[in-house]
Amino acid sequence: EAQVTQNPRYLITVTGKKLTVTCSQNMNHEYMSWYRQDPGLGLRQIYYSMNVEVTDKGDVPEGYKVSRKEKRNFPLILESPSPNQTSLYFCASNPVAGSTYEQYFGPGTRLTVT
Amino acid sequence: AQSVSQHNHHVILSEAASLELGCNYSYGGTVNLFWYVQYPGQHLQLLLKYFSGDPLVKGIKGFEAEFIKSKFSFNLRKPSVQWSDTAEYFCAVKTDSWGKLQFGAGTQVVVTP
Repeated sequence: EAQVTQNPRYLITVTGKKLTVTCSQNMNHEYMSWYRQDPGLGLRQIYYSMNVEVTDKGDVPEGYKVSRKEKRNFPLILESPSPNQTSLYFCASNPVAGSTYEQYFGPGTRLTVT
Repeated sequence: AQSVSQHNHHVILSEAASLELGCNYSYGGTVNLFWYVQYPGQHLQLLLKYFSGDPLVKGIKGFEAEFIKSKFSFNLRKPSVQWSDTAEYFCAVKTDSWGKLQFGAGTQVVVTP
């Protein structure tokens, strides 16, 4: 089954404790991205990757890091989480070639930073 | 900067009522347009998309949307809603060749029995 998976689905942590949210897709998509969803703001892109070892900042990159060492994986790293990073996070992927460009979303990770 | 505006943040309506959600974008070039739905506790699912051709697009679950280029709009419609349509709806615009989506703030739709 074609899908984007994220882990963990729920995470409660404390300020300053480094964490990683994993994202994996099995569709051989080149493009992957991370969004955060906040009430009244919709989804905002944090980082994206156009292919292995190619990443760039989205609209709200501060406080986040990413890496793309393999095509299928795109982890999101919070080196020193703060309460303002409490949010719902979605990973997404899409093919670059072809005509659909439809983005496939993961199930989301609800992060609470106390 | 590109932006996407959804006119209503919350909509409450009764079953069988008609639904129309407004979406306007600010971008002068070629755009690809999407409506996504997020049911409570679930991830985003694609309702419909517009890339080119017929500006009236039909999607899943009886939804449709009309692209009006002159008005920079892509409004979502459903003639008769059901309780199961209770969800948050997001309009999104793809403005680059790679895949970045610019989302609206979302509209929370509640359908009462």
